[in-house]
Amino acid sequence: DQQVKQNSPSLSVQEGRISILNCDYTNSMFDYFLWYKKYPAEGPTFLISISSIKDKNEDGRFTVFLNKSAKHLSLHIVPSQPGDSAVYFCAASFSGNTPLVFGKGTRLSVIA
Amino acid sequence: EAGVAQSPRYKIIEKRQSVAFWCNPISGHATLYWYQQILGQGPKLLIQFQNNGVVDDSQLPKDRFSAERLKGVDSTLKIQPAKLEDSAVYLCASSLTSGRPFYEQYFGPGTRLTVT
Repeated sequence: DQQVKQNSPSLSVQEGRISILNCDYTNSMFDYFLWYKKYPAEGPTFLISISSIKDKNEDGRFTVFLNKSAKHLSLHIVPSQPGDSAVYFCAASFSGNTPLVFGKGTRLSVIA
Repeated sequence: EAGVAQSPRYKIIEKRQSVAFWCNPISGHATLYWYQQILGQGPKLLIQFQNNGVVDDSQLPKDRFSAERLKGVDSTLKIQPAKLEDSAVYLCASSLTSGRPFYEQYFGPGTRLTVT
């Protein structure tokens, strides 16, 4: 039973354009949502998070949107750069330092 | 600030052998997690420690996996005996614990285990 789903295994975007990565979840009790970026042979790197009481969080080129009614969140990267090419994991958590529940990841390729 | 350290980075063993992984979390991080990431999947929790106590080990296959965090700092994860399906990347993560309702987890580079 997968509680966090990333239905697109891969995404290809041209440099300078917007990248939109999507994530759906099933457990309405999740309090926090996070995006991690992973390069080959490295551990996941924290990118951005959002609390369930918000609908948007922005950090530089990265913006996460949360639609609680649809149980859907998305990560927007504008503008996309070749260095953004990586696997992006969506993760969810309850409050109080609980383990993360991850999706399977989406491989983003930014083409110069 | 130094990140989460893990060793070894790679390990190849035969099935039924034993193996151990080591993790040193970020200084001051009281909470430590071990995750298993099988190829093509997201990381899945094996065990969570807070200081030197176990918070959640419900998904740890206790017949073959064990973990400890002596003195509330470093941690060791052991597999004995290993099976082919244990081939995966083992990730250690740490986070702060008190003062806020939520803290991000920071991951080490992982140990890639291949069981032949």
